[in-house]
Amino acid sequence: AQKITQTQPGMFVQEKEAVTLDCTYDTSDPSYGLFWYKQPSSGEMIFLIYQGSYDQQNATEGRYSLNFQKARKSANLVISASQLGDSAMYFCAMREKISQGGSEKLVFGKGTKLTVNP
Amino acid sequence: NAGVTQTPKFRVLKTGQSMTLLCAQDMNHEYMYWYRQDPGMGLRLIHYSVGEGTTAKGEVPDGYNVSRLKKQNFLLGLESAAPSQTSVYFCASSFGGRDTQYFGPGTRLTVL
Repeated sequence: AQKITQTQPGMFVQEKEAVTLDCTYDTSDPSYGLFWYKQPSSGEMIFLIYQGSYDQQNATEGRYSLNFQKARKSANLVISASQLGDSAMYFCAMREKISQGGSEKLVFGKGTKLTVNP
Repeated sequence: NAGVTQTPKFRVLKTGQSMTLLCAQDMNHEYMYWYRQDPGMGLRLIHYSVGEGTTAKGEVPDGYNVSRLKKQNFLLGLESAAPSQTSVYFCASSFGGRDTQYFGPGTRLTVL
């Protein structure tokens, strides 16, 4: 079963508008972490924002905010005031335990391609 | 700080050839990881290391070996490359097992 689901293969937004990228997750672990990464056409993976399962407030980092709805198991990324440079693939990821020793890996969704139009 | 670096950036191999990908980090991170990214998919964990001298298998370890002789370096080896190993390989590192992972720029490998 897919643990991270990104239902939007592609999204379009006008420059300066806000856009929401969807992410739902599945886990039975009460302690987990959710990440969003940006992958521009140049290929690197850039960390954007993190939300811990016990965090009381939604995470924010500049123009990025995470709309965390724990009961719905969703962690949507909101980008405000879109810029042309925001055009990229966006991946939602969740920490998942590898072993009892505390090691964890990231489980990724398939990504959403965001295109910002001028 | 350079962060996480990977060499080479691109490589083309013939089936059966061997090669080593090098990952280096200058953030004094304990944990290092190798992922692969295939078209239409997110990243999948190949191998990881929780500290110098340690390695462990991820979810897709077959056909790969790794070594972590120095804390700052994590090597990924392909002993006999196969076309199924054509992919983009990413190295990542983190301070602890539950901390944010920071990625290198990736290595695009093609096996003919």
